[in-house]
Amino acid sequence: DGGITQSPKYLFRKEGQNVTLSCEQNLNHDAMYWYRQDPGQGLRLIYYSQIVNDFQKGDIAEGYSVSREKKESFPLTVTSAQKNPTAFYLCASSIGSFTGELFFGEGSRLTVL
Amino acid sequence: AQSVTQLGSHVSVSEGALVLLRCNYSSSVPPYLFWYVQYPNQGLQLLLKYTTGATLVKGINGFEAEFKKSETSFHLTKPSAHMSDAAEYFCAVSETDSWGKLQFGAGTQVVVTP
Repeated sequence: DGGITQSPKYLFRKEGQNVTLSCEQNLNHDAMYWYRQDPGQGLRLIYYSQIVNDFQKGDIAEGYSVSREKKESFPLTVTSAQKNPTAFYLCASSIGSFTGELFFGEGSRLTVL
Repeated sequence: AQSVTQLGSHVSVSEGALVLLRCNYSSSVPPYLFWYVQYPNQGLQLLLKYTTGATLVKGINGFEAEFKKSETSFHLTKPSAHMSDAAEYFCAVSETDSWGKLQFGAGTQVVVTP
């Protein structure tokens, strides 16, 4: 079945450590996105990529980095510069049109100890 | 800048009763509008969307929503709640040139009581 796979599902990290969250899709979608979800705040866009080797900052990009070397993959690195990294992270993809329908992975929950 | 307001962070409904979740948006141009559902510790699933055409949109699981431009609203309804409807619901909006970049509301948690 086609879909989006995020790993790991749960991740614990110590303060000061970088951590990378994986996102892979086999939907042949052009565009991919990373959102952060905090209780009571909805989803906020971190980074997005419309084509391979290109990506743009979203609303809350500080302390995060991404790469898009392959169409299928869009990993997110949470760096030590991110002040409050504990959150639920969601990866999504879309066919790259103006209708905006997003397909989501099941998320990765990051906890900083 | 566009924004989305969902009225009520928690809604409790009885099984079999009407479900009504309110969403208002602010946008300088006619937007695309979406409702997503999220079950615990999972990603979001699209319920329905409005892009153009008929303003009453039907989605999955018996949900529907009506786009009212004059009221800048896109409220979600379901005539009869089922226990499986317990989840968090998000309204989202994108402007026609933003290519999938959605602005989400804060979400409404729905609890269904027997």
